[in-house]
Amino acid sequence: ILNVEQSPQSLHVQEGDSTNFTCSFPSSNFYALHWYRWETAKSPEALFVMTLNGDEKKKGRISATLNTKEGYSYLYIKGSQPEDSATYLCACYYNTDKLIFGTGTRLQVFP
Amino acid sequence: ETGVTQTPRHLVMGMTNKKSLKCEQHLGHNAMYWYKQSAKKPLELMFVYNFKEQTENNSVPSRFSPECPNSSHLFLHLHTLQPEDSALYLCASSQQWGLAQGVDTQYFGPGTRLTVL
Repeated sequence: ILNVEQSPQSLHVQEGDSTNFTCSFPSSNFYALHWYRWETAKSPEALFVMTLNGDEKKKGRISATLNTKEGYSYLYIKGSQPEDSATYLCACYYNTDKLIFGTGTRLQVFP
Repeated sequence: ETGVTQTPRHLVMGMTNKKSLKCEQHLGHNAMYWYKQSAKKPLELMFVYNFKEQTENNSVPSRFSPECPNSSHLFLHLHTLQPEDSALYLCASSQQWGLAQGVDTQYFGPGTRLTVL
């Protein structure tokens, strides 16, 4: 059974703090990793798709790295703002032809 | 309208009712998906349609019946549900199922919050 794990489950930070969280996944038969940002009562929004070991992606203050050999990805947010408050989902694609999701990291940024 | 829309956003139904969830995508995609999210569990794939053909049924009970009349619309017909079926049901679409080994981004709707009494 493929299991994608995210940590921590939740995180509270002060506005202006930088933060990061982790997605761990089985590395065997791995094809791709997706990060999504999901605000309450809205649609999950795609942030990044990553495939190669050592991949780094950046979108504004958010960036992500990928290590396919050891099976983890980090998501970083620099200078957190209240509007960054959301659940961040990680999902991995294997040769099973479907995305396997983690349970997410819920981030709350306080002004 | 743009993106993926779902109706209704909230639904309360009894165990003997029959209801349907509707999803519509305006992105020109060929694949559509139903996901279920139960409390404190990850998103779980239920069904995949690719070019209107069902390609995945992830061991979903027959009380859930999907329908895909065209590439833009997806329905989930519900009948004789159980209280444990209460969950958030999300629809998604992508360019094509199984495309390019997992780099095809899925675009999600906002979900239908279902409560079964």
